[in-house]
Amino acid sequence: KQEVTQIPAALSVPEGENLVLNCSFTDSAIYNLQWFRQDPGKGLTSLLLIQSSQREQTSGRLNASLDKSSGRSTLYIAASQPGDSATYLCAVSNQAGTALIFGKGTTLSVSS
Amino acid sequence: GAVVSQHPSRVICKSGTSVKIECRSLDFQATTMFWYRQFPKQSLMLMATSNEGSKATYEQGVEKDKFLINHASLTLSTLTVTSAHPEDSSFYICSASVPAPQSDTQYFGPGTRLTVL
Repeated sequence: KQEVTQIPAALSVPEGENLVLNCSFTDSAIYNLQWFRQDPGKGLTSLLLIQSSQREQTSGRLNASLDKSSGRSTLYIAASQPGDSATYLCAVSNQAGTALIFGKGTTLSVSS
Repeated sequence: GAVVSQHPSRVICKSGTSVKIECRSLDFQATTMFWYRQFPKQSLMLMATSNEGSKATYEQGVEKDKFLINHASLTLSTLTVTSAHPEDSSFYICSASVPAPQSDTQYFGPGTRLTVL
């Protein structure tokens, strides 16, 4: 059974720092991996989607990498801002069109 | 991009009542929709997979008679929480899968916060 783990559970950094969020999954036979952002009491915002054949994806200050063989992904956030404060969720899909399996998330707090 | 809506966004009800939550794909047809539940400080957990025109597939531990799912059209799936109790209070989120060959993307609704008194 696929399990997704995110470390750390919470992270506090001062504004301007670069940071890395980690995600690991137990079954490397994934179809794709996604990173989401969730603000308190809100729904999900998709940040980056990495197909199983890809190594990384970039969007603005965000860079997500995927090492499928070792079951790991990282989300790199450059020059963090207070507006980046949110919970970041990692999720994997085992097959096309199937439900996502989520980690518990990392709650990020960026202080000004 | 594709848009998924949910209604209501927030509902408060008394214990023992039933609550219906709607999930709509606004600009595409979704043959498959998923219902997730998120308890405080926890991750999203899949409750059931809803396929248009057929019975929903429920995850282990989710009572199908308590959480009724109807996917009557390609743009609408509903989740009815029957005889709700305080332990059903949670954040319910649906997602819709774009049909093949682009079926590697799911679009999430904004969620429904259910509070059972």
